[in-house]
Amino acid sequence: AQKVTQAQTEISVVEKEDVTLDCVYETRDTTYYLFWYKQPPSGELVFLIRRNSFDEQNEISGRYSWNFQKSTSSFNFTITASQVVDSAVYFCALSAISGAGSYQLTFGKGTKLSVIP
Amino acid sequence: NAGVTQTPKFRVLKTGQSMTLLCAQDMNHEYMYWYRQDPGMGLRLIHYSVGEGTTAKGEVPDGYNVSRLKKQNFLLGLESAAPSQTSVYFCATQPYGTANSPLHFGNGTRLTVT
Repeated sequence: AQKVTQAQTEISVVEKEDVTLDCVYETRDTTYYLFWYKQPPSGELVFLIRRNSFDEQNEISGRYSWNFQKSTSSFNFTITASQVVDSAVYFCALSAISGAGSYQLTFGKGTKLSVIP
Repeated sequence: NAGVTQTPKFRVLKTGQSMTLLCAQDMNHEYMYWYRQDPGMGLRLIHYSVGEGTTAKGEVPDGYNVSRLKKQNFLLGLESAAPSQTSVYFCATQPYGTANSPLHFGNGTRLTVT
């Protein structure tokens, strides 16, 4: 069985602060993919990033960066100089390939980020 | 390009009533999914379809039925609504059911059952 844990249920930061959203995963599969999705107050879910299990290189996209560490089974998401528009619920997800060739997608329970002006 | 469209956006039902949620996609994706989102529970898979004419159960299928008569549409039905089905429902699609393919989501349907 696989599992995704987002231990932070809610986080509040003041605008321009940096914030890190934690994601810890469990899987027995050697090939898997990790995702982050953003759900702003308007409700839609938006794909942010995908990382595969063989690529531990960190990624930066503007104010967003992602730190993937297989040694700690973590895929953390950092927002630098947060803005009010970053206020949203963020979901981490794990997709692992089973031996039968299918795959299972598991979402974490989400972290609600509130950026206070 | 509309992507994934869900109708209706909001609905209030009384216990025992029935309704159908429609998901329509214009991306020619093979795979379609229905999720429900509840506070503190994240997203849970109800049913999914790997192609026209096929459906399969997900994690929480009880109380729901689905149909995929046309490739572009995936319907979620509640035959006898219960208060426990109060939730936000999301439809999602994928080109194919590959592990590395992100989901494309609709904007959700907020359902309240009184």
